[in-house]
Amino acid sequence: DIVMTQSPDSLAVSLGERATINCKSSQSVLYSSNNKNYLVWYQQKSGQPPKLLIYWASTRESGVPDRFSGSGSGTDFTLTISSLQAEDVAVYYCQQYYSTPYTFGQGTKLEIK
Amino acid sequence: QVQLQESGPGLVKPSETLSLTCTVSGGSISNYYWSWIRQPAGKGLEWIGRIYTSGSTNYNPSLKSRVTMSVDTSKNQFSLKLSSVTAADTAVYYCARSIAAAAYNWFAPWGQGTLVTVSS
Repeated sequence: DIVMTQSPDSLAVSLGERATINCKSSQSVLYSSNNKNYLVWYQQKSGQPPKLLIYWASTRESGVPDRFSGSGSGTDFTLTISSLQAEDVAVYYCQQYYSTPYTFGQGTKLEIK
Repeated sequence: QVQLQESGPGLVKPSETLSLTCTVSGGSISNYYWSWIRQPAGKGLEWIGRIYTSGSTNYNPSLKSRVTMSVDTSKNQFSLKLSSVTAADTAVYYCARSIAAAAYNWFAPWGQGTLVTVSS
């Protein structure tokens, strides 16, 4: 199985400041034939299902605010929220779909400082 | 807009079989992968497995011996059975859709989830 490890486990950021969440996979999730990373980011607010934010490591899902961005390739990835808003309080998960069983990071809880 | 809704008993006794159904509305169930994912309270997400509309399946090896998935295209539904449950299977169970092409196998949308508690 590909193990996904996120850091930090929790994060407190002031409104308007930048938040950065890291995700590392135990093996590369870059599919060489199309040069796409099979890595996504989800946002899960309390009492709700996860919502897709970013796919292919860096492509924002339709309707996702442009303050959310993803970067990285291979085994190391980052989700950045450029200017934290109150509605961004949530748990964020990375997930690989390079190989089954599909696996998630343990989650990063983002709060307002 | 496609919507998914899980249904099934919220309480299952230990050693019995958990059975859930996911109903797809607003779109066809055909030509997609349909997954089950679970989340114990306060914990992370675990992919249980998926079924294609042809009936082919992929299960998480950690649960494979206890999982059965099926699909009923006439009802736009797919189902999960998890046998010999224990308290460790207590979780919110989600169903979710994936596009049936490898580069697009992320999960969107998701159902709202249903809490299943294993207790006598």
